[in-house]
Amino acid sequence: QKEVEQDPGPLSVPEGAIVSLNCTYSNSAFQYFMWYRQYSRKGPELLMYTYSSGNKEDGRFTAQVDKSSKYISLFIRDSQPSDSATYLCAMSGETSGSRLTFGEGTQLTVNP
Amino acid sequence: GAVVSQHPSWVICKSGTSVKIECRSLDFQATTMFWYRQFPKQSLMLMATSNEGSKATYEQGVEKDKFLINHASLTLSTLTVTSAHPEDSSFYICTVGRPDTQYFGPGTRLTVL
Repeated sequence: QKEVEQDPGPLSVPEGAIVSLNCTYSNSAFQYFMWYRQYSRKGPELLMYTYSSGNKEDGRFTAQVDKSSKYISLFIRDSQPSDSATYLCAMSGETSGSRLTFGEGTQLTVNP
Repeated sequence: GAVVSQHPSWVICKSGTSVKIECRSLDFQATTMFWYRQFPKQSLMLMATSNEGSKATYEQGVEKDKFLINHASLTLSTLTVTSAHPEDSSFYICTVGRPDTQYFGPGTRLTVL
């Protein structure tokens, strides 16, 4: 069983839709949770970073962490075609700058 | 966020040659950098952890003699793919480990003919 599970999709939504992306994990030592966005043929770009449980909002993006359920989510409101990319969840243990464990990535397409 | 550069952004080489990829942290002195590879439509696979001033730590299954890593300064780590073969063709990405998280470089696409 993988430490981090993420549905690879693909996920296709109309412009303006609310997108929900999720990951589950099995390692209770994970403390730091991140979401990265990767456009085709580019390096991943950090979108959101959360420490421990709770919610964090940044513009149209909201990250949620539920450590009791070992479940993290990324919500995208008012999705735009420019949001079309692969979204990777990542997490780490003792220090956030230490090695990351990635999900497989979810490929998202937002249709105009 | 951190600014991380990689050079070259893409490279094509003949089988049997060696290729060096540079990763630079432009605004942060990084004691730790990480090297990943990514095959098309697949997630990132950690290859090794690059530690400034000491030997790199390689993940299981990664040949240290084939993928030479040097972290000579707090702003530069290099990955050398020695005697490259077509199966080494991939997207190689470095990250800079900061106290809050990791920031990725733009990646280097290697094609071995």
